[in-house]
Amino acid sequence: GAVVSQHPSWVICKSGTSVKIECRSLDFQATTMFWYRQFPKQSLMLMATSNEGSKATYEQGVEKDKFLINHASLTLSTLTVTSAHPEDSSFYICSARGTGRKYNSPLHFGNGTRLTVT
Amino acid sequence: QQPVQSPQAVILREGEDAVINCSSSKALYSVHWYRQKHGEAPVFLMILLKGGEQKGHEKISASFNEKKQQSSLYLTASQLSYSGTYFCGTERGRDDKIIFGKGTRLHILP
Repeated sequence: GAVVSQHPSWVICKSGTSVKIECRSLDFQATTMFWYRQFPKQSLMLMATSNEGSKATYEQGVEKDKFLINHASLTLSTLTVTSAHPEDSSFYICSARGTGRKYNSPLHFGNGTRLTVT
Repeated sequence: QQPVQSPQAVILREGEDAVINCSSSKALYSVHWYRQKHGEAPVFLMILLKGGEQKGHEKISASFNEKKQQSSLYLTASQLSYSGTYFCGTERGRDDKIIFGKGTRLHILP
């Protein structure tokens, strides 16, 4: 159980275009989803926390107008990279936590999306 | 706020033991441990809640010293499949965001 599906797994786009990444919890409901960014051989850097039905909370230094996050339902969150530039090229990973649990639950990660902006 | 992991990298021979440490300067509610293999998503190993719990998963166990805000991951009789990068993630309150350390790269030699 606890499967998170992330699409697409990779995308190449031209500079100036926008890219949408979807993150779905397949067999559980997720009130909270987290979006991380990872550079090669580096840590998972938290970009934002997404709560169903409310605005996302962005980490310091993350441009909310550039990285648009929508958490429309308990099973779907999307990250849209707007007006992408080569420096946005990275590995983006979403993760989700279940609802209604008695104790803290772990993060369940999607398989990530490798974005390359040319 | 980012937890500090040590060592940065470890090379072991199959069957040897390893300890990976994670420390924080802030009071913690929980510590998470994940393993990530190259090109894949991180996989959950275990959660340690405040209270000094020690949890185990086969030959992998961990402890959490609430006083020192430190956690250690113990890998016993390492197997080739243990290779990867280990991340600790810390949480300061229940349902809070999880911040990850820089990771410890573990390489197991046959």
